[in-house]
Amino acid sequence: SYELTQPPSVSVSPGQTASVTCSGHRLGDKYASWYQRKPGQPPVLVIYQDSERPSGIPERFSGSNSGNTATLTISGTQAVDEAEYFCQAWDSYTVVFGGGTQLTVL
Amino acid sequence: QVQLQESGPGLVEPSQTLSLICDVSGGSISSGKYFWSWIRQPAGKGLEWIGRTYSSGYTDYSPVFKSRVTISVDTSRNQFSLKVNSATAADTAVYYCAREDLRTQGSGSSSWFDSWGQGTLVTVSS
Repeated sequence: SYELTQPPSVSVSPGQTASVTCSGHRLGDKYASWYQRKPGQPPVLVIYQDSERPSGIPERFSGSNSGNTATLTISGTQAVDEAEYFCQAWDSYTVVFGGGTQLTVL
Repeated sequence: QVQLQESGPGLVEPSQTLSLICDVSGGSISSGKYFWSWIRQPAGKGLEWIGRTYSSGYTDYSPVFKSRVTISVDTSRNQFSLKVNSATAADTAVYYCAREDLRTQGSGSSSWFDSWGQGTLVTVSS
């Protein structure tokens, strides 16, 4: 079965750029989506189809996908961005999620 | 703005059936524009996709759950449901229902979840 791998944690200083990666075999041939989840809340879609932002998501969130790696980039990271981030892809009529990355803003 | 709300028992005894319902408001399942999925997150673990249904009753399941899960849709009530047979402690998790936008394009298919319920904690314990 297809697998997506994320680093367990990423740290970033306020105002800096945070990059969260998601790796999978030839992931660049698929489309990746990204979700933000804060404690006690459901996940929120922040990026779909590799780089599209839903309405209401700040411009500081962007995405890319090439080769075996999809990347979520948060420019000018703010304290409110501290959360767990999950990548997701479609594979043979099923959905696969990455294990999640805890983003700490300190 | 579509809203989804999960409901069902918060405690299930081992070997019993775990049953949940997702009520959809602000949009019609019968519109046929979206798929409707169940996703769960065990404590300390990542998100797990369980399966999806469509307004026609079509279903897809994750291979991990296929043998003991049933997802069904009731368009007259604008809701869909999840049943997990022979529940064990490993099925203890927060269960989410979500709307799935699925697109088929020349370079392949893609899907994403643009609306989620608040989630409901189900504990499997005696």
